[in-house]
Amino acid sequence: AQTVTQSQPEMSVQEAETVTLSCTYDTSENNYYLFWYKQPPSRQMILVIRQEAYKQQNATENRFSVNFQKAAKSFSLKISDSQLGDTAMYFCAFMKPTGTASKLTFGTGTRLQVTL
Amino acid sequence: SAVISQKPSRDICQRGTSLTIQCQVDSQVTMMFWYRQQPGQSLTLIATANQGSEATYESGFVIDKFPISRPNLTFSTLTVSNMSPEDSSIYLCSVSDRLSYEQYFGPGTRLTVT
Repeated sequence: AQTVTQSQPEMSVQEAETVTLSCTYDTSENNYYLFWYKQPPSRQMILVIRQEAYKQQNATENRFSVNFQKAAKSFSLKISDSQLGDTAMYFCAFMKPTGTASKLTFGTGTRLQVTL
Repeated sequence: SAVISQKPSRDICQRGTSLTIQCQVDSQVTMMFWYRQQPGQSLTLIATANQGSEATYESGFVIDKFPISRPNLTFSTLTVSNMSPEDSSIYLCSVSDRLSYEQYFGPGTRLTVT
């Protein structure tokens, strides 16, 4: 079974600064997907970014980018130019794609607080 | 991405009763997923619902406690049966894009059992 570990329960960053959230995972699979989700106080789960394991290039979405190290099984999220609206819980998730049930396995989450 | 709605958004229920949560998607999808998020915790998959077949439950979750219906390709329900305070959680449904494997979530149902 796959496991996802987020070792930082809480982090804080000042507005406009850069912060990196850590995620490691354990799997014997070679083909898989990794995701970062954001959950603000509204509790809506919002997809931030996706990475396919077969792609060496790190995914980027505007101010959000990842550092994907497949050999080390590491998948960190970098948020640049942090904004107050980035305050939320961030969950790292793993998915092994199958034809019928590609379920997500989530980490325990990192609570990010962006301050003035 | 799919637009997903859930009803109710929140409810307070007495122990021993049952609550049915509805999930509606704005497009046809093959698979729908139901997750539970206990207070301050991460998300845990309850079951996967495929239209026209029995739902597939994860370890620790059983059909008698969490019966699921999937009558068509845009709708599903999850029932939380014989509730106890330990069932107090946020329940979320999600759907998966079969090409990108991205999963999109509904807004969740916050359930409190007293």
